[in-house]
Order: sequence, then structure tokens, then C-alpha cells
Amino acid sequence: DGGITQSPKYLFRKEGQNVTLSCEQNLNHDAMYWYRQDPGQGLRLIYYSQIVNDFQKGDIAEGYSVSREKKESFPLTVTSAQKNPTAFYLCASSIAYSGNTIYFGEGSWLTVV
Amino acid sequence: QQQVKQSPQSLIVQKGGISIINCAYENTAFDYFPWYQQFPGKGPALLIAIRPDVSEKKEGRFTISFNKSAKQFSLHIMDSQPGDSATYFCAAKRDNFNKFYFGSGTKLNVKP
Repeated sequence: DGGITQSPKYLFRKEGQNVTLSCEQNLNHDAMYWYRQDPGQGLRLIYYSQIVNDFQKGDIAEGYSVSREKKESFPLTVTSAQKNPTAFYLCASSIAYSGNTIYFGEGSWLTVV
Repeated sequence: QQQVKQSPQSLIVQKGGISIINCAYENTAFDYFPWYQQFPGKGPALLIAIRPDVSEKKEGRFTISFNKSAKQFSLHIMDSQPGDSATYFCAAKRDNFNKFYFGSGTKLNVKP
């Protein structure tokens, strides 16, 4: 089945640790995105990538890092510099530029313990 | 500055009633306006979308009304059902740009 796969679904992080959330898509989309969703809040853009080996900061990039070495993969690292990382993280993809539909993965829950 | 403002934050509707969610946007260059539906613990999924060259689009019980001069658009859910209980996001985008601007979401609860 075509789609976006995020893993893990649930992740617990200790204070001071970096964690990496995986996102893989088989939709052959050029553009990929990471959003953060806090309970009762909207979707805030962390990073997005329009093409392999290129990415741009979104509205809340501080404390996060990404890479885009392959078209189908866009991992997100939540670093220890992110002061309040507990949230629901959503990966998404779309056809670059002309694509008007953004497809989301099932999300990953990150909790700091 | 928030590009897309959505209201209300939450909405309770009786089964069979009409649910109405409103959005307003700032940038007149936006030319695509989708609505997304999100169930708890899941990613949002496209529900319905409209372009500014039409004032209304209907798909089943879901209708988007669009007012270009007022820079507003709204989602109407007719004959609301408990299965419609979810969070709804409006969004806006410019053609040939990759960035989507989302509203803050509306949590809809349809009571049986």
C-alpha cells in the first residue's frame, strides 16, 4: 500500500537525550514535512524539504534537525536543546510545487520522562 | 502573524444538526483551500477542498462556502453524525509553493 510510515508510534526520552523519529514514504513525492501538534493545538511546521539534500526551517525549527539523503526518507531528530519536546509529531508529503494535497503519516508520540 | 485563523476552537452539536466551522485568511495570493479531518491518534486526512473561482463546493454532507471578498471560507457538515466527531483543520496554499498554512483546529463533538 502507498503511504507514509512513521516510527516509532510511541517514544519516551530522558532529559538531555537526542531522539530520532523515522519517516518513510513510497508515494514518490518530492516534498516532505514535519509538523508538531500539542494537545488541543494546531499544526506547527518544524522543517520541510522540497528536494533531496535540501530543506528549510519552518516556524519552530529550534531544537530540531533533519536530513534528506533519500527521496523517500526524512528523519527528524529532537535534540536536547528542545526545551519542551513532549508532543505528537506528524510527517507529511506532497507533490512538489504543483501538489495541492498533503498526505500525513499516523504520527509519533514523544514523551520526555 | 497567523495566516489562517479558525473558529470556534471547539463545537458541540446534536446528532442530525449542522456543524459550521469558519476560517479567515490574510494572503490574497492563496488559491487553494482544503479542509482536513483528524481522528484521535491519527494523522489528518483531506476531506474537501475549494479554489477561489467558485463560491461553494459540496461533497455528500460536507460543503465549503467561500467568500473571496471577505477572505473567509467555512465548512458545513449537514446531518452531523457521532462518527463525524473529530478535529477539523482548514488550510491555505499558493499554487507552485510547497508551504501549507493551517488553522488552529476545531474539535467537533457530535452527541447522539
